[in-house]
Amino acid sequence: DAGVIQSPRHEVTEMGQEVTLRCKPISGHNSLFWYRQTMMRGLELLIYFNNNVPIDDSGMPEDRFSAKMPNASFSTLKIQPSEPRDSAVYFCASRATSGRAEEQYFGPGTRLTVT
Amino acid sequence: GDSVTQMEGPVTLSEEAFLTINCTYTATGYPSLFWYVQYPGEGLQLLLKATKADDKGSNKGFEATYRKETTSFHLEKGSVQVSDSAVYFCAEGQGAQKLVFGQGTRLTINP
Repeated sequence: DAGVIQSPRHEVTEMGQEVTLRCKPISGHNSLFWYRQTMMRGLELLIYFNNNVPIDDSGMPEDRFSAKMPNASFSTLKIQPSEPRDSAVYFCASRATSGRAEEQYFGPGTRLTVT
Repeated sequence: GDSVTQMEGPVTLSEEAFLTINCTYTATGYPSLFWYVQYPGEGLQLLLKATKADDKGSNKGFEATYRKETTSFHLEKGSVQVSDSAVYFCAEGQGAQKLVFGQGTRLTINP
């Protein structure tokens, strides 16, 4: 299995631009999680989906952030407009429906830099 | 809400030194407890876990014991190697949904 796939691996953009991060979960996994990692705040859960349905988006910082999961094999996290404080590493993780909480498999992350 | 507090880093040790990274949690009841490791440029990987009080999780020479009385899950290794250099995250989870992570502790092992 290829594991969780994220793209792009690195993104550099200017303030005000739209940014779209992509994630392909492990085949057969029905839960998907988006995290943000910064030096100041550590690892934060932004949102997670079960069976393509958003379950908890309380970690989404503000309306500039949105996430979708149109099907079981693809999810996007969009930031519009982007700001320098959005610079971070964004991780996607997936988990099988029958899995326990810890059995999340993380992707390699997307390093976002907003200038 | 629930939180997890880890020993602040960075931690720098010499090869073969003894390692302890402290972790405490606030969740009530009996959460499951975990240590994840993040190697440079990679995502997090599950290192070890414990699902009930007094359980000891172990993997790759690392150990952690679930201490309900002190709400702790400290990570230990008797003799660290350069290849153990990474960021270590403590986490707790109740139910079958999301995990709560600590802030991470960066460990550097010098030869």
